[in-house]
Amino acid sequence: NAGVTQTPKFQVLKTGQSMTLQCAQDMNHEYMSWYRQDPGMGLRLIHYSVGAGITDQGEVPNGYNVSRSTTEDFPLRLLSAAPSQTSVYFCASSPGTGGGHGYTFGSGTRLTVV
Amino acid sequence: AQSVTQPDIHITVSEGASLELRCNYSYGATPYLFWYVQSPGQGLQLLLKYFSGDTLVQGIKGFEAEFKRSQSSFNLRKPSVHWSDAAEYFCAVVGGGSNYKLTFGKGTLLTVNP
Repeated sequence: NAGVTQTPKFQVLKTGQSMTLQCAQDMNHEYMSWYRQDPGMGLRLIHYSVGAGITDQGEVPNGYNVSRSTTEDFPLRLLSAAPSQTSVYFCASSPGTGGGHGYTFGSGTRLTVV
Repeated sequence: AQSVTQPDIHITVSEGASLELRCNYSYGATPYLFWYVQSPGQGLQLLLKYFSGDTLVQGIKGFEAEFKRSQSSFNLRKPSVHWSDAAEYFCAVVGGGSNYKLTFGKGTLLTVNP
């Protein structure tokens, strides 16, 4: 049981490049989400999904796209990277409704955009 | 919308002293509440959570937290701090029912002096 797996762990991009941050969970969790963490800002929700084929925006969605074609995977796409997207990105999943089952976090992806 | 306030950005305590980290939340009904800890360069570790029942919750590493509905607070405490407790601490809240979104405070950085 691997939990939530994020790849890559580190990435450096040039401004304007595109990339996809991968997130996969093997716990059959309904809910998956992406956060970004910046100093002094805590973790802010980018996008989330309550099941395959269903996604919605969080607090800071601009510049990011997501899709959920399977229960297991929830990739985060940066179409044209900007220095403001330099951050640490965390993926999280939860099995059920209302947060009462708790959340499992991945180990994070540290992204630098130069 | 739900929100979390951690009034203290940075706290310094001496090793062996007691600790209290403050957390205030805003949510209309009874929320689910969490405390996470993050060591430098690491991911998030769940310290404890409150879902219902006893308002005093015990967690890992000797931490506890008390839910006070009248004050909308969920403060984290530890009777005697160890140097290894130096880290950043995040309070988080999620609403019940179908509200999956976990909202974080901005964090409190704990420094422990020898």
